[in-house]
Amino acid sequence: DGGITQSPKYLFRKEGQNVTLSCEQNLNHDAMYWYRQDPGQGLRLIYYSQIVNDFQKGDIAEGYSVSREKKESFPLTVTSAQKNPTAFYLCASAPGKLGEQYFGPGTRLTVT
Amino acid sequence: QKEVEQNSGPLSVPEGAIASLNCTYSDRGSQSFFWYRQYSGKSPELIMSIYSNGDKEDGRFTAQLNKASQYVSLLIRDSQPSDSATYLCAVNGEAGYSTLTFGKGTMLLVSP
Repeated sequence: DGGITQSPKYLFRKEGQNVTLSCEQNLNHDAMYWYRQDPGQGLRLIYYSQIVNDFQKGDIAEGYSVSREKKESFPLTVTSAQKNPTAFYLCASAPGKLGEQYFGPGTRLTVT
Repeated sequence: QKEVEQNSGPLSVPEGAIASLNCTYSDRGSQSFFWYRQYSGKSPELIMSIYSNGDKEDGRFTAQLNKASQYVSLLIRDSQPSDSATYLCAVNGEAGYSTLTFGKGTMLLVSP
């Protein structure tokens, strides 16, 4: 089955701890993305990567870090520097130049 | 800063009616346009893409694009209660540009 997987589905952390969210795809897509969604808000782009070992900051990259060591994987680390980390985090991938993106199921992060 | 505007709703329609969802965008250079459906607590699902002026039909869904007026719309015919969701409009830049700008979404409620 081809698809995008994110784990875990729910994640709880204490304030001050770094946490890494997993995103894996077996669709052979070149581009991968991380978004954050808050209640009543649209999707906001955190980071994206169009090729292995390269990534670009999105609109709200502060307090986050990523890596792209393999085509299939694009993990996101939420660091303690992120002021309001509680949110729904969505990973997406895209096959080509027309721009359509396909989303994983998401990880709901709660930091207390 | 690119902007994509949608009426937040909710848009309420009775079962069997046509639901009309609208979206305007600010970047005249936009080339690719997408509609996503997002059920409460779930990730967005791509339901329509459109790249040229005019109408594109897929089952009960019709996407309409007017680049001169910078708007894109989604019509849902024979609306069903299962269509109740938030619909996100997303816009790409010029061909090859790899990020999407999302609107905040319109909530659709279809009553039986």
